[in-house]
Amino acid sequence: KNEVEQSPQNLTAQEGEFITINCSYSVGISALHWLQQHPGGGIVSLFMLSSGKKKHGRLIATINIQEKHSSLHITASHPRDSAVYICAVIKRVGNQFYFGTGTSLTVIP
Amino acid sequence: EAQVTQNPRYLITVTGKKLTVTCSQNMNHEYMSWYRQDPGLGLRQIYYSMNVEVTDKGDVPEGYKVSRKEKRNFPLILESPSPNQTSLYFCASSFLYRGPNQPQHFGDGTRLSIL
Repeated sequence: KNEVEQSPQNLTAQEGEFITINCSYSVGISALHWLQQHPGGGIVSLFMLSSGKKKHGRLIATINIQEKHSSLHITASHPRDSAVYICAVIKRVGNQFYFGTGTSLTVIP
Repeated sequence: EAQVTQNPRYLITVTGKKLTVTCSQNMNHEYMSWYRQDPGLGLRQIYYSMNVEVTDKGDVPEGYKVSRKEKRNFPLILESPSPNQTSLYFCASSFLYRGPNQPQHFGDGTRLSIL
């Protein structure tokens, strides 16, 4: 049983398209993270959310605590956005992390 | 420069030969963690530490040991490695007592192959 489910697993988009990646979780959490993993393997934190919405450049992340769901949106997608996007949650009790299996995004020029 | 440093980056070794992967951070973070990443399974937490001398099991701790004797270092020890521990390993760190919305800083990863 996966505590965190992401969809879609794979996504191909044309440059300029609006992209949405979804994350659902089943445990009580203190925060949710969106991570980006580049083709070379390095991982960076994009957002940390415990409520509401955050925006950074062309990226927007939202979370609905009642529905246990988060979305990551990319507006005006660009080939440099091609990466694997990973949703992670911190369990409220114990500070343990659980991860989705990631969404592999390819943006075609 | 703020960073998490893992060593080695690549290692090929044989079953049963004890090995240690080191992790060091220079940001005075309380929280440090080890993850393994496998195709189809994603990232899974092995062990984590909320401060010096405080460690806890994650999702997949079997076959691994950790220690946190100093705040900056969190080594991962494989006492008797087996082929099913072949994986890509990441160390990460973050502040803990500034609230839950603290970014994790990841090391560059260690690709471990056990023959």
